[in-house]
Amino acid sequence: EDKVVQSPLSLVVHEGDTVTLNCSYEVTNFRSLLWYKQEKKAPTFLFMLTSSGIEKKSGRLSSILDKKELFSILNITATQTGDSAVYLCAVGLSDSGGYQKVTFGTGTKLQVIP
Amino acid sequence: EADIYQTPRYLVIGTGKKITLECSQTMGHDKMYWYQQDPGMELHLIHYSYGVNSTEKGDLSSESTVSRIRTEHFPLTLESARPSHTSQYLCASSEYAGVGELFFGEGSRLTVL
Repeated sequence: EDKVVQSPLSLVVHEGDTVTLNCSYEVTNFRSLLWYKQEKKAPTFLFMLTSSGIEKKSGRLSSILDKKELFSILNITATQTGDSAVYLCAVGLSDSGGYQKVTFGTGTKLQVIP
Repeated sequence: EADIYQTPRYLVIGTGKKITLECSQTMGHDKMYWYQQDPGMELHLIHYSYGVNSTEKGDLSSESTVSRIRTEHFPLTLESARPSHTSQYLCASSEYAGVGELFFGEGSRLTVL
């Protein structure tokens, strides 16, 4: 069974702190790892990673993938209250029939307090 | 901005009714997905489609059914709604080549009384 596990499940930090969110996976036929941010509505895309060791960066957010150890981290530096959201990790994979699907983890709920 | 639309956004309906949640995208994407998400909980894949006339069941068993007669349209149907079907249903699509970014619709929040 394909599995995507995120930790911690929830986190409360103060503005200006740096946070690291973790995502580990056990899947067959891995294709990609994706990070999303979900506030009240639908998830919004942050990063897609397919190669080990290459950091993706966008402003204060960055992410890296380790395909050997089967995990990824999402870093947020100098957190702001607007970063409060659920951060979702997802893995794109091919199923037994060769069809491609995306499986999500449980999410990490981040709350940034002033 | 993603061009993927879901209707209705909100639906309150009685037990036993048949409902169809509509999902349409104008990006020409071959792959489309339905996810179910309860408040504060994770997204569960319930159906996906590789292209026209291709549909597969997802990781979470669901009594709903889907069809893909046209590339842009991926409706989800519940023949007889029950209170256990109360949830948010999110539709998404992605491009054919590889497994890339999912573009999500705004969601359909279903309440079955």
